Amino acid sequence: AQSVTQPDIHITVSEGASLELRCNYSYGATPYLFWYVQSPGQGLQLLLKYFSGDTLVQGIKGFEAEFKRSQSSFNLRKPSVHWSDAAEYFCAVGEKNTGFQKLVFGTGTRLLVSP
Amino acid sequence: EAGVTQFPSHSVIEKGQTVTLRCDPISGHDNLYWYRRVMGKEIKFLLHFVKESKQDESGMPNNRFLAERTGGTYSTLKVQPAELEDSGVYFCASRGLGARQPQHFGDGTRLSIL
Repeated sequence: AQSVTQPDIHITVSEGASLELRCNYSYGATPYLFWYVQSPGQGLQLLLKYFSGDTLVQGIKGFEAEFKRSQSSFNLRKPSVHWSDAAEYFCAVGEKNTGFQKLVFGTGTRLLVSP
Repeated sequence: EAGVTQFPSHSVIEKGQTVTLRCDPISGHDNLYWYRRVMGKEIKFLLHFVKESKQDESGMPNNRFLAERTGGTYSTLKVQPAELEDSGVYFCASRGLGARQPQHFGDGTRLSIL
């Protein structure tokens, strides 16, 4: 079965600093990869997705992620964090044996932004 | 375009009672999913509908959970009788046709069992 690891439970970043959230997955072939964000009191919002092609994908709110097959990683980055980015971030992979229908999520990383 | 809507946003019930959660997907989305996040754990898949048919219910924890999608529009998830371990946030998502369409999630229903 596929699995997703987000090794950092909490991360604190100063406003204006750069951000990188880590995500590693276990899957034999090229997976479908996603990053979702859950702001306080909100649902899950799709930040970006990777299916194939260019390994650097751009998302909403200034986020980007890079797919690295050799490292089985799909890390999320942002060059300058804003206070409104404080939220919980989830990496997810689509399971091929379900036609990529079923998402497997990591445990999430909670981002705190300090002034 | 309206997003995925879930009702209620929060439900507090006692152990042994019945609760029904509702999800209205994005109009025209044939695929509807239910997920659950228990406190401190990852978000886990429960089941997948294609129109009114259950495509995959491998994540349903036990037979106290019943999901329906009559008419292929909105879906309900009933928990009967509720147990303490059922507490968590229940998310619904919908997706349009095409394997590369992402799932769009609702705000979730926070279920608290006392």
